[in-house]
Amino acid sequence: GAGVSQSPRYKVAKRGQDVALRCDPISGHVSLFWYQQALGQGPEFLTYFQNEAQLDKSGLPSDRFFAERPEGSVSTLKIQRTQQEDSAVYLCASSPFDRDLGYNEQFFGPGTRLTVL
Amino acid sequence: AQSVTQLGSHVSVSEGALVLLRCNYSSSVPPYLFWYVQYPNQGLQLLLKYTSAATLVKGINGFEAEFKKSETSFHLTKPSAHMSDAAEYFCAVSVWWNFNKFYFGSGTKLNVKP
Repeated sequence: GAGVSQSPRYKVAKRGQDVALRCDPISGHVSLFWYQQALGQGPEFLTYFQNEAQLDKSGLPSDRFFAERPEGSVSTLKIQRTQQEDSAVYLCASSPFDRDLGYNEQFFGPGTRLTVL
Repeated sequence: AQSVTQLGSHVSVSEGALVLLRCNYSSSVPPYLFWYVQYPNQGLQLLLKYTSAATLVKGINGFEAEFKKSETSFHLTKPSAHMSDAAEYFCAVSVWWNFNKFYFGSGTKLNVKP
């Protein structure tokens, strides 16, 4: 079946521009995650949704970063007034919810590579 | 807080040789541990996971990992490397009370020489 998709795959922005990154999770997956992966580093947690509720946004680096999932499916990560340090790959992941398992396997999309000039 | 350390940002092995990728974790409570693989321009794919059952975990593509509490380690091994194993590998940790929050290591790039 279809996996997690992200668009655009590549985005170049001038410093100060706003950008919006889209994530289409696997159909039926309740949980959705955003990660930031800087060059040469592992992914770092940004935020987490369960359905439309944003349950954890502790990883968002500043108030310029905003994420939403209004209908509990597609999610958008918005970065306002982009800075050079925002250059990274932004990964989206989704997972099914299983209370009995006590953990969730996360399925990752291919990422959006953001370059801020 | 939880954290992961992956020793060796680059590992090179010959085809057919043993693969050993190291992961040490820090957690104040029993962890859940994961290994993911990332091929160029692709998302992360789960190789295997430890969730407090058997300490020796077998995953896809012939990989396995052993949870050693005394050493706080979860090293990834494969008896015989294949060219197709060349990729970047990430170890991650989470805990039962916040299992949705993964902490990833900085990754190890595996190069397989013919």
